[in-house]
Amino acid sequence: AQTVTQSQPEMSVQEAETVTLSCTYDTSESDYYLFWYKQPPSRQMILVIRQEAYKQQNATENRFSVNFQKAAKSFSLKISDSQLGDAAMYFCAYRRIRNNDMRFGAGTRLTVKP
Amino acid sequence: DVKVTQSSRYLVKRTGEKVFLECVQDMDHENMFWYRQDPGLGLRLIYFSYDVKMKEKGDIPEGYSVSREKKERFSLILESASTNQTSMYLCASSLGNRVQPQHFGDGTRLSIL
Repeated sequence: AQTVTQSQPEMSVQEAETVTLSCTYDTSESDYYLFWYKQPPSRQMILVIRQEAYKQQNATENRFSVNFQKAAKSFSLKISDSQLGDAAMYFCAYRRIRNNDMRFGAGTRLTVKP
Repeated sequence: DVKVTQSSRYLVKRTGEKVFLECVQDMDHENMFWYRQDPGLGLRLIYFSYDVKMKEKGDIPEGYSVSREKKERFSLILESASTNQTSMYLCASSLGNRVQPQHFGDGTRLSIL
């Protein structure tokens, strides 16, 4: 079974600084999708970024970028120029190509200090 | 503005009751999902529906059933509620060609006493 591990239950960062959230996953598949979701205190989840495993180029969305290391099965999220609004729970997720069973990590709670 | 609406933010029920959690989306999305969210476990998929009257079991379907009679509505049913079903329940939806949930509801915090 595929599993997703987020080894950092909590992280904090100073406003305007950069922070990296870790995620590793376990799979025997060669092609799949990886995601980072953000859940602010209001609870509505938001998709932050998505990566297709067949793409070598790391996905980027404005201040959010990933470091996708396929051989190491690692998918970290980098947040640059952190803002107070980035404070949230962040979930890493994995999905096989052939079905809709997405596996989520346990989450990392990010605090942004002013 | 797109919306996924869950009928209740907080719900308290008793053991053995039949519980209905309702979810409605106004985006004409084909896919709808039910997850439960527990501390330290992340989100786990209970059921998924890709069309009216179609459903697939997720990771933890035991003790749950679902109903999708209309495209916009996806109901989660706890046939006989138990205390281990106390959790936060999240509904989500996406277009048929999207591989991931796009929009989530605010969640229902369900307590089973």
